[in-house]
Amino acid sequence: EVQLVESGGGLVQPGGSLRLSCAASGFTFSDHYMDWVRQAPGKGLEWVGRIRKKTNSYTTEYAASVKGRFTISRDDSRNSLYLQMNSLKTEDTAVYYCARLSGNYVDYWGQGTLVTVSS
Amino acid sequence: DIQLTQSPPFLSASVGDRVTITCRASQGISSYLAWYQQKPGKAPKLLIYAASTLQSGVPSRFSGSGSGTEFTLTINSLQPEDFATYYCQQLSSYPLTFGGGTKVEIK
Repeated sequence: EVQLVESGGGLVQPGGSLRLSCAASGFTFSDHYMDWVRQAPGKGLEWVGRIRKKTNSYTTEYAASVKGRFTISRDDSRNSLYLQMNSLKTEDTAVYYCARLSGNYVDYWGQGTLVTVSS
Repeated sequence: DIQLTQSPPFLSASVGDRVTITCRASQGISSYLAWYQQKPGKAPKLLIYAASTLQSGVPSRFSGSGSGTEFTLTINSLQPEDFATYYCQQLSSYPLTFGGGTKVEIK
């Protein structure tokens, strides 16, 4: 069974940093691109970014709203995905989901982890 | 960036109704479109990919159509478990974008 479990969310002050993790199981993690998607409270979905697999040099893409502040990485040996978030703003408050790509589409999502940026 | 406009934003319907949701892209995206269903407090669930391909395990009352800039998600014979919010997403070019969502409520 495919499972994606996010962790690392919490309360952080504006300007602070946080690192989210996503533990994957039930599939060959290294074979898949992975995305982060977020959802502010009561709002719609926002794509955050993507990391490709080793054969694509682990290259990344980011939304303009997070580019230069957020970094996506992965450790295939640990079946884990990461989102390093720096210079956090109040508007980054959201539930953050990790998501598995199959072909060009997200077919599995984690349950999400809440990040609250507030003083 | 490619903007996706979903309509209507809210929809009130009864069990057994046929429901159609539209997603319009600000520029052509071929068939690089997915539809997701999200229930409160839950992660989204993939329903349709490549505009019209039903994801494995999704009931056949769900269908998708369209290409280019106009797409539709149709739910035939709405069931109680279908009351949720539906999102489209384009995967044609970066940054990937979602529509604003359509909340399907019980009439």
